[in-house]
Amino acid sequence: GQQVMQIPQYQHVQEGEDFTTYCNSSTTLSNIQWYKQRPGGHPVFLIQLVKSGEVKKQKRLTFQFGEAKKNSSLHITATQTTDVGTYFCAGRGSYIPTFGRGTSLIVHP
Amino acid sequence: DAGVIQSPRHEVTEMGQEVTLRCKPISGHNSLFWYRQTMMRGLELLIYFNNNVPIDDSGMPEDRFSAKMPNASFSTLKIQPSEPRDSAVYFCASSLGQGGEAFFGQGTRLTVV
Repeated sequence: GQQVMQIPQYQHVQEGEDFTTYCNSSTTLSNIQWYKQRPGGHPVFLIQLVKSGEVKKQKRLTFQFGEAKKNSSLHITATQTTDVGTYFCAGRGSYIPTFGRGTSLIVHP
Repeated sequence: DAGVIQSPRHEVTEMGQEVTLRCKPISGHNSLFWYRQTMMRGLELLIYFNNNVPIDDSGMPEDRFSAKMPNASFSTLKIQPSEPRDSAVYFCASSLGQGGEAFFGQGTRLTVV
């Protein structure tokens, strides 16, 4: 079955540093979604990427979908304490999305 | 819309007791998902309904778990009998279409002692 791997599992950064999480699928994806879960909260949808090589930005967040549609990344520029949480990717093949294990971002002020 | 509504928010029960978790999806959404989240295993898909019909229950751990969706606005996840290893946060999510943006409820934190 489809597997979605996410790295790293945890990332500690100083406030102001950049952060990147990577998502890799064992199969070609039709689309990929990204979610953020704040501590004690629930996953909240951030964005969906569909096209090969697509890049989307939301303020300090940059999302990329690989050319082969098997990998994706989320990059945060100049992290803030409000960025703390776990970032999940969810890759969809021909069926329902499969969630990765998530990357927990810890920002030290 | 109030979003996906789950109840109860917290549940503490004794081993062997029956537990029922409830979910009201967003009106108009035709896909509903039940997930379990633990530190060890992350976010696991338990079951997926489309148009009130269970499509994929391969993630249901064992026969102690059952889920129903009697109509488009209500679903339940039942554990009988409950065990300590069932302790987790259970999320319900709904979407428009099986691949659409998923809206998660606030979750039910289940503790089985």
